[in-house]
Amino acid sequence: SQQGEEDPQALSIQEGENATMNCSYKTSINNLQWYRQNSGRGLVHLILIRSNEREKHSGRLRVTLDTSKKSSSLLITASRAADTASYFCATDAGYGKLTFGQGTILTVHP
Amino acid sequence: NAGVTQTPKFQVLKTGQSMTLQCAQDMNHEYMSWYRQDPGMGLRLIHYSVGAGITDQGEVPNGYNVSRSTTEDFPLRLLSAAPSQTSVYFCASSPDRGETQYFGPGTRLLVL
Repeated sequence: SQQGEEDPQALSIQEGENATMNCSYKTSINNLQWYRQNSGRGLVHLILIRSNEREKHSGRLRVTLDTSKKSSSLLITASRAADTASYFCATDAGYGKLTFGQGTILTVHP
Repeated sequence: NAGVTQTPKFQVLKTGQSMTLQCAQDMNHEYMSWYRQDPGMGLRLIHYSVGAGITDQGEVPNGYNVSRSTTEDFPLRLLSAAPSQTSVYFCASSPDRGETQYFGPGTRLLVL
């Protein structure tokens, strides 16, 4: 079962614009993680946010978590062509077993 | 550090054949896991291990077997390959449960 559901499924923007991706989940979590996957490659970890945190930043990335709404968002500011990739949220219910969503395909046009 | 390595990168099997996908990590991580990724989908957990000698099932364990005799290695065995097992397989490791997972480059498997 896919616990995390990303929205939108695909996002196309121009370089320099901001990109926002959303993730909703169904059950209580210990933490939520965001990963990036370039075409044909493995996953790269972006940010881990724990259930008692509301917001985290890493460079141009900002992640928010609202446990009352069971949702998270990933904001990429000042996007670059190199940000073109698929982005996945993954929830951890506390046992280290990640449940992934279907992902958002982000295309950044130069 | 090489991180998480997987071999082979690509494999073609015939239905009914068996094979082992290799996964190794050099970060001394206790937690290791195997996922499969099908087109247009996220990853689904097959099996995981919280340490040498300890394994457990994930979401889609049928048709796969694992063992963990050392901290470094976590091989995934396909007992009798079926076309439904055509997928990309990723191995991951993390220092402990609930921490960041580090993924290998994947093995692309085609079962004819």
